[in-house]
Amino acid sequence: RKEVEQDPGPFNVPEGATVAFNCTYSNSASQSFFWYRQDCRKEPKLLMSVYSSGNEDGRFTAQLNRASQYISLLIRDSKLSDSATYLCVVSSSGTYKYIFGTGTRLKVLA
Amino acid sequence: EADIYQTPRYLVIGTGKKITLECSQTMGHDKMYWYQQDPGMELHLIHYSYGVNSTEKGDLSSESTVSRIRTEHFPLTLESARPSHTSQYLCASSLQGTDTQYFGPGTRLTVL
Repeated sequence: RKEVEQDPGPFNVPEGATVAFNCTYSNSASQSFFWYRQDCRKEPKLLMSVYSSGNEDGRFTAQLNRASQYISLLIRDSKLSDSATYLCVVSSSGTYKYIFGTGTRLKVLA
Repeated sequence: EADIYQTPRYLVIGTGKKITLECSQTMGHDKMYWYQQDPGMELHLIHYSYGVNSTEKGDLSSESTVSRIRTEHFPLTLESARPSHTSQYLCASSLQGTDTQYFGPGTRLTVL
C-alpha cells in the first residue's frame, strides 16, 4: 500500500461545477499537508497548505481529517484554467521526507 | 514566483556520458532537494541537503551524486548516463523551519 493515495482520475467536469478530491495517508505521525498543482510537463506549484482547522483561499477549500487520515480539496466554480493535476503531499515534521501522491487529474470542459 | 533555476531545461545525450544538472536558488533557503519524476507518476526523492557540506541520499536508489559547496547551488551529477536515467529531474528548496517546498522548472533528460 502506498503511503499517500489519490484517485488518479481524470475528473471531467463542466465549467462552473464544484469538484472535490480526497487523499489518504498511512503514517499517523504525519504533521504537514499540502496540495500542489502541476500542469502538464511543468513543475509542481504550491496551491495551499492544509491546516487542522481547514482553510480557504478563494474558490479552493482544504480540509484535514486526522482521525480518518485523509485530506480533501474542494474547488468551487471550476474554471478552464483549473485543468491540471493536483498532488497531495504529506510530511512528518522535522524530517526531509515529503511523500507525494501520484496526483488527481482534473479536466474542466467548456 | 519562486527564484529557483535549473539548467539545462532539456538534454538529450548518449549512453556513457557524464552530465551535471544545475540547480540554483536565490532565496537563501537552507534545504534543497532533487526529485525524479516519470510521466504520470509520483515524485521520488533522490538526494537532499540541509545546508552547506550536508548531503544525503533519498529513498530512490540513484547512481547520481550531489554536492553543496554554496548555499544557493546544488548540482546533480551522473557519471555515466544510461537509458534508464531518462526522466524529469526536479530541484526544490525550502527554508529551515518551514515545510513549504518551491520547485525549479525541471530538467527533462533523455539518454539514448
